[in-house]
Amino acid sequence: AQSVAQPEDQVNVAEGNPLTVKCTYSVSGNPYLFWYVQYPNRGLQFLLKYITGDNLVKGSYGFEAEFNKSQTSFHLKKPSALVSDSALYFCAVRVFNQAGTALIFGKGTTLSVSS
Amino acid sequence: GAGVSQSPRYKVAKRGQDVALRCDPISGHVSLFWYQQALGQGPEFLTYFQNEAQLDKSGLPSDRFFAERPEGSVSTLKIQRTQQEDSAVYLCASSLTGQETQYFGPGTRLLVL
Repeated sequence: AQSVAQPEDQVNVAEGNPLTVKCTYSVSGNPYLFWYVQYPNRGLQFLLKYITGDNLVKGSYGFEAEFNKSQTSFHLKKPSALVSDSALYFCAVRVFNQAGTALIFGKGTTLSVSS
Repeated sequence: GAGVSQSPRYKVAKRGQDVALRCDPISGHVSLFWYQQALGQGPEFLTYFQNEAQLDKSGLPSDRFFAERPEGSVSTLKIQRTQQEDSAVYLCASSLTGQETQYFGPGTRLLVL
């Protein structure tokens, strides 16, 4: 079965420090991977995606993610965290079937950045 | 440059009542998706449209759930005879094609009492 795992419910980091939010996946075929962020009472905002090419993907708001095929991981990173980065982060993989396409999401990781 | 919009933003329904949730996708986006997000969980796929055609409804949890997109733009998700377990946030997303990035609306929070 195709799935996404976010092993940490919460990540705490001090402002200015680097942050990592972990994601591992299980899919058949080549993975199409995404990161979204969700602020309270708002929908999901797209951060970045990996389809093919360079394993290091750069996205919005200074975030980046590294695709590692051997470890089946797609961790989200940022060199210097901001308090405003505090939010709920979702990793997702796109799956394809005869009918079409959909995203499978992890359960989410709450990032808390302290000043 | 408007994004995906959804209405209502909040809906309280009595158990057994029918509800209709509306989604306005980004103009020109061919593909439209509905997801259900339970409290503390990630979104789960419900159904997918390409233009007016519903190509995948494998995620709809029961026959009480029905979605339509008659003119290939606005979509409505209807839930008949609502149950307490239907309480969730319902998210709509659209993409230029089925292969492109999905952009999400703010969601409709449904509470069934």
